[in-house]
Amino acid sequence: GAVVSQHPSRVICKSGTSVKIECRSLDFQATTMFWYRQFPKQSLMLMATSNEGSKATYEQGVEKDKFLINHASLTLSTLTVTSAHPEDSSFYICSASGASHYTGELFFGEGSRLTVL
Amino acid sequence: RKEVEQDPGPFNVPEGATVAFNCTYSNSASQSFFWYRQDCRKEPKLLMSVYSSGNEDGRFTAQLNRASQYISLLIRDSKLSDSATYLCVVKGRGSTLGRLYFGRGTQLTVWP
Repeated sequence: GAVVSQHPSRVICKSGTSVKIECRSLDFQATTMFWYRQFPKQSLMLMATSNEGSKATYEQGVEKDKFLINHASLTLSTLTVTSAHPEDSSFYICSASGASHYTGELFFGEGSRLTVL
Repeated sequence: RKEVEQDPGPFNVPEGATVAFNCTYSNSASQSFFWYRQDCRKEPKLLMSVYSSGNEDGRFTAQLNRASQYISLLIRDSKLSDSATYLCVVKGRGSTLGRLYFGRGTQLTVWP
């Protein structure tokens, strides 16, 4: 089946630094990618939706200047957490959907666990 | 009110038991329904879609009641490998392609 790869799987950084997470669709063109965040024992919360070649659409309460999303190609979207703080520590997961994937199933990356010290 | 509500559990059952999970959703115009499985510290993976007529996949049976806005998942003959968190997922009306709403998940532990 379709594969979405996310990197890095785990990152630890100091408060105030920026962290970039990559999400790649390996065998299909992802016109739309989604970024989620999941805190312990909580559900996945959609942060933003990115469409290739256009600006991302952010969910209410998500700071677009803090969580920079770039979807420059049909196979790559990046999420940059700028000036990270300990409260940004979370599990970040991307998912991708292509024009042929209108069944509702999303293909998820493996997730990136961010720890901000 | 949250889009999708689930009993978080945890459910602790012995091997071979039958266990049922329930879920309700708030948007009556929701289009598609799914159960995903998420293992600890892993990404969610699709377990099965849920159809109005009800559907079965091996030991798993999913039911949808649109009038009550209620979704269920039944697991028969539980295996140790079924231990995971089960996420009820709803695709909203008029949403962008692939936009899904997740319940917080129901944790299941199957013990020997």
